[in-house]
Amino acid sequence: DQQVKQNSPSLSVQEGRISILNCDYTNSMFDYFLWYKKYPAEGPTFLISISSIKDKNEDGRFTVFLNKSAKHLSLHIVPSQPGDSAVYFCAASGVSGSARQLTFGSGTQLTVLP
Amino acid sequence: DSGVTQTPKHLITATGQRVTLRCSPRSGDLSVYWYQQSLDQGLQFLIQYYNGEERAKGNILERFSAQQFPDLHSELNLSSLELGDSALYFCASSVAGGQEDTQYFGPGTRLTVL
Repeated sequence: DQQVKQNSPSLSVQEGRISILNCDYTNSMFDYFLWYKKYPAEGPTFLISISSIKDKNEDGRFTVFLNKSAKHLSLHIVPSQPGDSAVYFCAASGVSGSARQLTFGSGTQLTVLP
Repeated sequence: DSGVTQTPKHLITATGQRVTLRCSPRSGDLSVYWYQQSLDQGLQFLIQYYNGEERAKGNILERFSAQQFPDLHSELNLSSLELGDSALYFCASSVAGGQEDTQYFGPGTRLTVL
């Protein structure tokens, strides 16, 4: 039972254009969401996050949008750069039992073409 | 560099063997998390420790165990290894494990079971 889904395994965009990565979740108890970027042979790197009380958070070229009613979030990268080529993981945080846990999606491989 | 270190980077062993993976969290972080990433899959949460105590368990097999020591480093022990245990194992750390607590990941240990 995948509680966090990234339905697009891959995405290609041209340099300078917008990249939009999508993520859907099913558990309404999730209250904090994060995006991580992962390069080959490295660990995931935190990119940006959003609390469930907000619908948008922006950090430079990266913006995360949250639509709670649709249980959907998206990451926008504008403008996209070749160095942004990586696997992007969406993660949702919620309390399970007495502790908080992160549940990850399966990732989207973003390729930015020069 | 996230400040989380993991050793070894690579490990090759045979079925039925036992291995120990080591993780040192970022300075000041009390929580340590272990994740498994199998081929083409997202990160699966295994277990969390907070200040030496087990706090949460995810999809961790009974053949696997972990502990966190007084100096806050953690070890993940994998025993009676099977071919299917071949994966990347990541350690992450965070300050305390609260709602807006970001997890920072180490570079991972790649385990190959032959």
